[in-house]
Amino acid sequence: TQLLEQSPQFLSIQEGENLTVYCNSSSVFSSLQWYRQEPGEGPVLLVTVVTGGEVKKLKRLTFQFGDARKDSSLHITAAQPGDTGLYLCAARTGNQFYFGTGTSLTVIP
Amino acid sequence: EAEVAQSPRYKITEKSQAVAFWCDPISGHATLYWYRQILGQGPELLVQFQDESVVDDSQLPKDRFSAERLKGVDSTLKIQPAELGDSAMYLCASSLVGSATDTQYFGPGTRLTVL
Repeated sequence: TQLLEQSPQFLSIQEGENLTVYCNSSSVFSSLQWYRQEPGEGPVLLVTVVTGGEVKKLKRLTFQFGDARKDSSLHITAAQPGDTGLYLCAARTGNQFYFGTGTSLTVIP
Repeated sequence: EAEVAQSPRYKITEKSQAVAFWCDPISGHATLYWYRQILGQGPELLVQFQDESVVDDSQLPKDRFSAERLKGVDSTLKIQPAELGDSAMYLCASSLVGSATDTQYFGPGTRLTVL
């Protein structure tokens, strides 16, 4: 059983469509991060959310931390081919740092 | 811009052989992480160092894997003997202090193939 479950696992959409990726857990976290990873490279941090109910926007990306700080969502508006990649949520509990199961997004031109 | 360096980028080895990966973190970063990533999945933490000390290695298969960061700067991850199931991407990351909100900066990884 994974600490951070992401859905969907795979997503293929047309350019211009909107999408939402979910990150769920039964654990409560003090903060949660979202990373994006492109093929052949390491993950790159997109955002850190720390307050329950917090919403952060990064251009066309909107991140929300659940009120109970157990889950998070990433919404992309008008997806572009450059958004293609593996999206990962991540959080720390105790001494251990965990990444989610990942959502592989493909945006078709 | 400072980057995390890893070498080699690719490694092909036969099972039962020994392999070693090297990581040089961003200068001044106290925390260093080694992850293993299967294609299409999220990275799995193998070991975390704070300076030269191991903070967490609970997911490191200690019968065959070892990691060291002797001077608290660069680090080496070793596998001996390698098994077919070890084929994966091995990522190194560093951060300033290792807190939950700290940004981890990742290297390009070493892709290991065990034949």
